[in-house]
Order: sequence, then C-alpha cells, then structure tokens
Amino acid sequence: DVKVTQSSRYLVKRTGEKVFLECVQDMDHENMFWYRQDPGLGLRLIYFSYDVKMKEKGDIPEGYSVSREKKERFSLILESASTNQTSMYLCASRYGSTEAFFGQGTRLTVV
Amino acid sequence: KNQVEQSPQSLIILEGKNCTLQCNYTVSPFSNLRWYKQDTGRGPVSLTIMTFSENTKSNGRYTATLDADTKQSSLHITASQLSDSASYICVVSGGGYALNFGKGTSLLVTP
Repeated sequence: DVKVTQSSRYLVKRTGEKVFLECVQDMDHENMFWYRQDPGLGLRLIYFSYDVKMKEKGDIPEGYSVSREKKERFSLILESASTNQTSMYLCASRYGSTEAFFGQGTRLTVV
Repeated sequence: KNQVEQSPQSLIILEGKNCTLQCNYTVSPFSNLRWYKQDTGRGPVSLTIMTFSENTKSNGRYTATLDADTKQSSLHITASQLSDSASYICVVSGGGYALNFGKGTSLLVTP
C-alpha cells in the first residue's frame, strides 16, 4: 500500500514561531508537492520538488521555504508563522504524470 | 490560463438517490483527468482516472465520463450512501508536473 505520511494531523503555533511540516513518501517518487487548502479557494501550490535538493516555487510561495535533502522526505518551513497561514496543508507525491498520492493533511492554527 | 470549474459548489441529497457532479476545464495540453474524494479532515483519494481516449469509466457506484471535445467531465454517484458525504475534486493534468485543481463540490447525503 502506497503511503504519504505527514508528521502531524493538528498543530497550534504562536505568531512568529518557526514551523516545520514534514512529509515522507515510500514510493520512490521523484516529484513531491506542498499545497494549502482553504475554504472557497481549493488547493493552491506552495512549492514542489522534482529531485533531491531541487525545488520550484508554486503559486503562493511567499512566507514559506522548503527542504528536500532525501528523496523520500519533503519539508515545508514557515520562517515566521503568521495568522494568515492558518490553513490545511497537504503534501503529495507522484511519478511523472501518474496519480498523485496525498498525505492525510496537517491542520495548522497560528494564534 | 488553465482553469478547472466545478458545479455545483455544494449539494444535499437523500440517501439512496443518484447525483451528478460536473467539471469543465480549459487545460491545454491535456494528459488526464482524475476525480478525487476528500473526506472531512483527510487528504484526497483518487476515485477514477480518465485519459483522452476514454469516454466512461466506473468504480463501483461511481461512474466518470469525459468529453474531450467539449472539455467536460462528470461524476455520477448511484444509490448514494451516507459515507459518500465528502468533497469531490476534479484534477486535470497537463504537460509536466502541473496539476490543475477545481475547487470541489461538497456533497452531503442525509438519511
């Protein structure tokens, strides 16, 4: 069974904190993605990575950075969390144009 | 600009009834179209995939159709169950890494 695992289901952080969201996949996929999902806006791409140490900005990268030191792990970093980053964060991985597999999501609340 | 439009935005039906969700897209080039089901607080899970040459595909009580000429797809749910209550997201894959998401249809099946 393929798996994309996100480190936390729920997270509450304070404004200004540095936040790390971790994602691990066991399918040897080269492509990994971070999205945020907000009511009425759907899924929006923050960053994606097509190989180790490679990254590309998505549609809404401001306030975020990413790290991919190993093929199976893709981390999303909020350098200084703000309340407008309260959202559902979804990690996904895929091979080429095949099916994207999603993690269970992390509900982040910034207070 | 690549766009994916879904309708209706939300839908309430009685258990046992059928329903049809719509997806119109302007993505070009076109690789494939997937319907995902997302339960509340969970990550999306793929239901069906449609490629350019396919018109209809079924997965249990779910039947997806694709008209590549008019760039329209539908997801028909037969004999709905309470567990069908979820958000249904249409995702169109073009060339390369990009995934184009609709904003989803929120379905509520009531007893």
